[in-house]
Amino acid sequence: GNSVTQMEGPVTLSEEAFLTINCTYTATGYPSLFWYVQYPGEGLQLLLKATKADDKGSNKGFEATYRKETTSFHLEKGSVQVSDSAVYFCALPMNQAGTALIFGKGTTLSVSS
Amino acid sequence: DSGVTQTPKHLITATGQRVTLRCSPRSGDLSVYWYQQSLDQGLQFLIQYYNGEERAKGNILERFSAQQFPDLHSELNLSSLELGDSALYFCASSVDAGGGTEAFFGQGTRLTVV
Repeated sequence: GNSVTQMEGPVTLSEEAFLTINCTYTATGYPSLFWYVQYPGEGLQLLLKATKADDKGSNKGFEATYRKETTSFHLEKGSVQVSDSAVYFCALPMNQAGTALIFGKGTTLSVSS
Repeated sequence: DSGVTQTPKHLITATGQRVTLRCSPRSGDLSVYWYQQSLDQGLQFLIQYYNGEERAKGNILERFSAQQFPDLHSELNLSSLELGDSALYFCASSVDAGGGTEAFFGQGTRLTVV
């Protein structure tokens, strides 16, 4: 089956700093790739996704580009805010049959003012 | 609000007991997924049901079982509970069998085994 590896945190940044969270994957074929975010006390919610190679997903100032050459889907944001403090998960389908998503271990981001 | 409802929100029970967690998917969603989140294991996929049938299985223990009913709600049954089963259990739903579509998560049931 497919697998995903993401950098483990915690990541601590000051407001307006640049953010990168690394995510690499192994997969059969070219599955859709996802970033989910979990705010304290809540369930996961979709942040962005990309469905094919070279696609860029974006939402709320976050971006990630589907790179098949490096099998990566790194999450970036140019200027983080305190409200971005959360846990971020990279995800992809567990296999080529297109079933459930599997998630990386999550990266905790803390942003201070 | 994701539209996915999980009950109860919190559950405290003793070792050896059995509990049932309930999930109501978003209206129109046919797939239900169960995940276990713990500090050491992260977010682990347990099982998926699609339109009443088991669709995919992950790291689900034999002591755990699930089902999806005709009205598409799902229940996760955990038996012979151990301390290590303490975790946050999430249910998610999606409109189809998964893969390229977004899964919507409930707020979770926090299970504490004492």
